[in-house]
Amino acid sequence: AQSVAQPEDQVNVAEGNPLTVKCTYSVSGNPYLFWYVQYPNRGLQFLLKYITGDNLVKGSYGFEAEFNKSQTSFHLKKPSALVSDSALYFCAVREAGTASKLTFGTGTRLQVTL
Amino acid sequence: NAGVTQTPKFRILKIGQSMTLQCAQDMNHNYMYWYRQDPGMGLKLIYYSVGAGITDKGEVPNGYNVSRSTTEYFPLRLELAAPSQTSVYFCASSYTRDSNQPQHFGDGTRLSIL
Repeated sequence: AQSVAQPEDQVNVAEGNPLTVKCTYSVSGNPYLFWYVQYPNRGLQFLLKYITGDNLVKGSYGFEAEFNKSQTSFHLKKPSALVSDSALYFCAVREAGTASKLTFGTGTRLQVTL
Repeated sequence: NAGVTQTPKFRILKIGQSMTLQCAQDMNHNYMYWYRQDPGMGLKLIYYSVGAGITDKGEVPNGYNVSRSTTEYFPLRLELAAPSQTSVYFCASSYTRDSNQPQHFGDGTRLSIL
């Protein structure tokens, strides 16, 4: 069975500092990995995905994520955080080339302060 | 282009009442999904549909029913509301399920069962 772990319930950073939101995954085969962001009272919005190729994936709003196959991780990063980045972030995985469903992590709340 | 539209946004039900959560998408997506989001639990798949007339159970289907008579609409029915069904419900769609394409989410229906 596939699974996703987001080990931190909340991450706090100061505006202008770099941020990292951690995600590790487990699938039988190759993974398709996704990051979504959720603002208050809104649905999930797609940020970026890893399918294949370059391990560093760039997405919306200056976010990027690094795929590490040996550590089965897909951490979300941003070089300089903004207060407006404060939201709930979800990592998700599905097994490539299969009809498997999308499995979500439990979410990490990012709080960026001045 | 509205994307995925969910109605109502909020609803309070009494135990034993029934209701239908509406979901519509205008992107001509084949696949549609219903999730529930509970605090600290991520998203759990209730039902999904791969096209008009075809539906299947997800992880947590008990207490719910769905139908898919057209590509655009995918309503979720609660027949006998129970307090355990208090949650935020999200509808999502994607062009295909077995692909690397992200899902598009509505803004959710916040449902309380009292």
